[in-house]
Amino acid sequence: EADIYQTPRYLVIGTGKKITLECSQTMGHDKMYWYQQDPGMELHLIHYSYGVNSTEKGDLSSESTVSRIRTEHFPLTLESARPSHTSQYLCASSRSTGYGQYFGPGTRLTVT
Amino acid sequence: EDQVTQSPEALRLQEGESSSLNCSYTVSGLRGLFWYRQDPGKGPEFLFTLYSAGEEKEKERLKATLTKKESFLHITAPKPEDSATYLCAVQDGRSYNTDKLIFGTGTRLQVFP
Repeated sequence: EADIYQTPRYLVIGTGKKITLECSQTMGHDKMYWYQQDPGMELHLIHYSYGVNSTEKGDLSSESTVSRIRTEHFPLTLESARPSHTSQYLCASSRSTGYGQYFGPGTRLTVT
Repeated sequence: EDQVTQSPEALRLQEGESSSLNCSYTVSGLRGLFWYRQDPGKGPEFLFTLYSAGEEKEKERLKATLTKKESFLHITAPKPEDSATYLCAVQDGRSYNTDKLIFGTGTRLQVFP
């Protein structure tokens, strides 16, 4: 059973606000990921981490930033939200190479 | 360029009507192919991993198979609770250390009673 949590589940916020999307996992996985998914579209990797103090940008350009200070925690921050950031953000983790990634429930972000 | 194509985009089945979903891929050295189920407004739920051509995995009414160019997800006697979007993803040899996945756009399955 995968234990990966995301908060908030839904967020409506005004343009220009700073927001942080939280992601935590209790499985001790070293690898964690952030994906962006628009309705009916494929998941796009925006950030990933091999472990503590390791972060890399993904394939999709994003104005967000991430940090990995603790194994279990991988927050994503938008310094100044814009309507173009409206999307679903999914966090995932994996145990090791070749194993499936386990996803959290997602955060649905709407920027007005 | 690595690519994953899923077909059909949408599939409507009567309860009990078996069918198959297709995932075609082009990657540089397949390391793994993954199937996920995604319900509306939720994160994808991991179903299967397939590593080599000829491999098969089963779970309840679902059976996944893999060839060198594509994978099939066979659904036998589906029930309404099988309604969801089924996602396929691949990992290529260049992303072995990062576990980066390339996702398809999914097949939206609806099963009617």
